[in-house]
Amino acid sequence: DQQVKQNSPSLSVQEGRISILNCDYTNSMFDYFLWYKKYPAEGPTFLISISSIKDKNEDGRFTVFLNKSAKHLSLHIVPSQPGDSAVYFCAASARTGNQFYFGTGTSLTVIP
Amino acid sequence: KAGVTQTPRYLIKTRGQQVTLSCSPISGHRSVSWYQQTPGQGLQFLFEYFSETQRNKGNFPGRFSGRQFSNSRSEMNVSTLELGDSALYLCASSARPNTGELFFGEGSRLTVL
Repeated sequence: DQQVKQNSPSLSVQEGRISILNCDYTNSMFDYFLWYKKYPAEGPTFLISISSIKDKNEDGRFTVFLNKSAKHLSLHIVPSQPGDSAVYFCAASARTGNQFYFGTGTSLTVIP
Repeated sequence: KAGVTQTPRYLIKTRGQQVTLSCSPISGHRSVSWYQQTPGQGLQFLFEYFSETQRNKGNFPGRFSGRQFSNSRSEMNVSTLELGDSALYLCASSARPNTGELFFGEGSRLTVL
């Protein structure tokens, strides 16, 4: 039972444009959400997080939006750069521990 | 500051064998989690340890087990390997539970023939 879903396996964007990666979840108990980036042959690296008490969090070129009523979050990357090409995972937790539920990932390709 | 170290990085086993994977967390981190990554399934939570105690366990059969030592290093063991156990096994550490940000190692790539 996939509680966190990333329905787009891949996304291609031109350099300099906006990349929008989407994530949906089903468990209303989730109150903490993270995005991770993964390059081939490396472990995932933390990108940005958001707590359910907020609806937006920014860190440089990365912004995460949370829509609790729709159980949806999105990651915006502006402007996109070729180095952003990687697989992006969203993850959610109910704060009961470090049991995060991960999506299946979206492979982003930024075309120079 | 050294990151999370996982050994071995790659290994090949045959069905029925067992395997032990090791994880050394970031110095000072006491919480260690294990995840299995397979194509199309994303990262699936295996278990989490904090101060040598298992705090959470994912939905995996009893063939998957783990432990944590007093120095926070952790091992996971898979017995009676099946073809479907072929995956990337990722270890992640954090200073303590409920901190959110997990620091992942590069993973151990297990192939079961």
